[in-house]
Amino acid sequence: EVQLAESGGGLVQPGGSLRLSCAASGFTFSGSAMLWARQAPTKGLEWVARIWSDGTSISYSESVEGRFTISRDNAKSVLYLQMHSLRVEDTAVYYCARDSEYAFANWGQGSLVTVSS
Amino acid sequence: QSALTQPASVSGSPGQSLTISCTGTNNDIGASYLVSWYQQYPGKAPKLILYGASQRPSGVSDRFSGSRSANTASLTISGLQAEDEADYYCCSYTGRLSWVFGGGTKLAVL
Repeated sequence: EVQLAESGGGLVQPGGSLRLSCAASGFTFSGSAMLWARQAPTKGLEWVARIWSDGTSISYSESVEGRFTISRDNAKSVLYLQMHSLRVEDTAVYYCARDSEYAFANWGQGSLVTVSS
Repeated sequence: QSALTQPASVSGSPGQSLTISCTGTNNDIGASYLVSWYQQYPGKAPKLILYGASQRPSGVSDRFSGSRSANTASLTISGLQAEDEADYYCCSYTGRLSWVFGGGTKLAVL
């Protein structure tokens, strides 16, 4: 069974940094592209970033380009999202997901990031 | 990249069939068959119910079906059940290593 578990969320001040982790199990992590998506309170879903299985190809949404960095450790089966220069509008539940045929095939339970002074 | 357009809400009675539309542009749905649909219950993570516009993942009810034509994708739920009451999101791969979601549709089963 595919399992994804995010951690690292919390309260941070505007301009601050935070790193999210996503522990994966139940599938061949090193063979799967991975994604981050987010959902602001009472809002819809938004794609954030994607990384290829070996980390050679990375892409970001315009809203986080230059501030967020996606990375992975295939030896540990962990996906990361390093977030810098956080803004109030980055407040959201952040989900990691396994990419299968360009769809978000499996999702974690989410990690809440709150940016507020 | 603007969000795909979905109706904010739809409703139906048990047993009915219902269709949720998702309208994009030539830069997303019109350029790719890689449209997916997600079901989300309040306070829960989304769940993939269709990919490739019309393919169902293993374990998803065959009451869910999808199609795509030009810049519009559609999700049809047949034999509506109370458990189908949830939020539904469409998503399109844009072909440029990016994805765009719809704003979501709240389905009410009357």
